[in-house]
Amino acid sequence: DAKTTQPTSMDCAEGRAANLPCNHSTISGNEYVYWYRQIHSQGPQYIIHGLKNNETNEMASLIITEDRKSSTLILPHATLRDTAVYYCIVRVAYNAGNMLTFGGGTRLMVKP
Amino acid sequence: GAVVSQHPSRVICKSGTSVKIECRSLDFQATTMFWYRQFPKQSLMLMATSNEGSKATYEQGVEKDKFLINHASLTLSTLTVTSAHPEDSSFYICSARDLRGGANYGYTFGSGTRLTVV
Repeated sequence: DAKTTQPTSMDCAEGRAANLPCNHSTISGNEYVYWYRQIHSQGPQYIIHGLKNNETNEMASLIITEDRKSSTLILPHATLRDTAVYYCIVRVAYNAGNMLTFGGGTRLMVKP
Repeated sequence: GAVVSQHPSRVICKSGTSVKIECRSLDFQATTMFWYRQFPKQSLMLMATSNEGSKATYEQGVEKDKFLINHASLTLSTLTVTSAHPEDSSFYICSARDLRGGANYGYTFGSGTRLTVV
């Protein structure tokens, strides 16, 4: 699986958009970009995933650059409950290994 | 959507005793489940892959005789920490794949178990 690089931490004002970047310059053509988040003392929660097109769901938007070497997770109106560690993971959707490999993630702090 | 239930959510045990953690897929069958461990302020580290009806696959450095995994049914995997020591205190999280697909391609996590060995 391709390696990802994320900032260690970020702050965001409540009500503003939170833009979380992720670099994955070695991504392969069949690898997807997944985003999970982990609120303190809970299991990770799926947010969104994409291959090459931008994606949006009720939680967030995912913007993937045309060369697919980086992406940005956007929380359009961050709330205090969005404070969490956000993990960007790149992997093939269905491969024999199956597991998700977590990097360091970005610790997002949403402030009043 | 797929739901994974993990129990207990927290446990305190004495050094030298064993602790069992259960991971259940509530509305789907999971031939494969994963066990992770997370120390404070660190990321999740995969410990082992649990396979229904066969032996678990352990990651390098994880003692299989200490962390016993049993996946006897398509909805239940258990992790038993044997002869627990204070250094085993950690947050243990399980994950299961729902191969019916769906938005997240099947990776659903339990809520985690906080183990404290005293």
